[in-house]
Amino acid sequence: DIVLTQTPLSLSVTPGQPASISCRSTQTLLHSNGKTYLYWYLQKAGQPPQLLIYEASKRFSGVPARFSGSGSGTDFTLKISRVEAGDLGVYYCVQSLLIPWTFGQGTKVEFK
Amino acid sequence: QVQLQQWGAGLLKPSETLSLTCGANGGSLSSFFWSWIRQSPGKGLEWLGEINHSGSTNYNPSLKSRLTISVDTSKNQFSLSLRSVTAADTAIYYCADTAVDLWGRGTLVTVSS
Repeated sequence: DIVLTQTPLSLSVTPGQPASISCRSTQTLLHSNGKTYLYWYLQKAGQPPQLLIYEASKRFSGVPARFSGSGSGTDFTLKISRVEAGDLGVYYCVQSLLIPWTFGQGTKVEFK
Repeated sequence: QVQLQQWGAGLLKPSETLSLTCGANGGSLSSFFWSWIRQSPGKGLEWLGEINHSGSTNYNPSLKSRLTISVDTSKNQFSLSLRSVTAADTAIYYCADTAVDLWGRGTLVTVSS
C-alpha cells in the first residue's frame, strides 16, 4: 500500500496567521494520464471529511482562496494563508492513485 | 440537493455480519463510483471499497475476504456487508460519493460481546 506521512501531526496557530502541512508519499502519485491523485480533506468535529483540494492543487467548489495545494510526485503541501476559526479541525491527505486508497495520519489544527 | 442517508445496525456481537445501506435522497446517484470509508480511533481513516452503477467493485485487500459491496440502482442505494466482525471493526462507517464530495453522516458501529 502507498503510505502517506503528514507533518506536523499537530499545529497550534494564531488566528489570521498562515499554516502549512506537508504530506509525503512512498510512491509517486502522478498517473500516466498526467493527473496527480492527491487530495486534501478537512474533518471538523462530529462531521465527515470535506474536500478542499483535488489533484494536488485544484480547489474544490466553494473552497476559499486562502487554501492552496502544491507539490508533485511524492511531496505535497497544503497552505492556509490566514487561518480562521472555521478552519480548525483535522486535515488529511489522501491518495487514490492505487487501490487501496490511503490516508495520512491527520494533522490537528487548533488555535494557540 | 442530493443527500446521502445511511442506515443499519449499530451494535453487533463478534462473528456477526455488519450490514449498512446508503441511499440518495433528493436525487440520483450520479457519479461513477461510490465508496465506503470507516474511521476508528486506532486506525484513523480507512477506505473499504467502492462500486459503480454496473456493480463493478474494488475492495481493500485487507478486508476483501469478508467484504461485499452491492448496488441497487433502481432504489438509488448501495450496501456494505462485512462478515465475521470483531472488536477491531468498531468504527464510524461512512458512505460517500467522493467525486462530488457527498458523504453520509456516518454510522457508529460497535462490536461487543
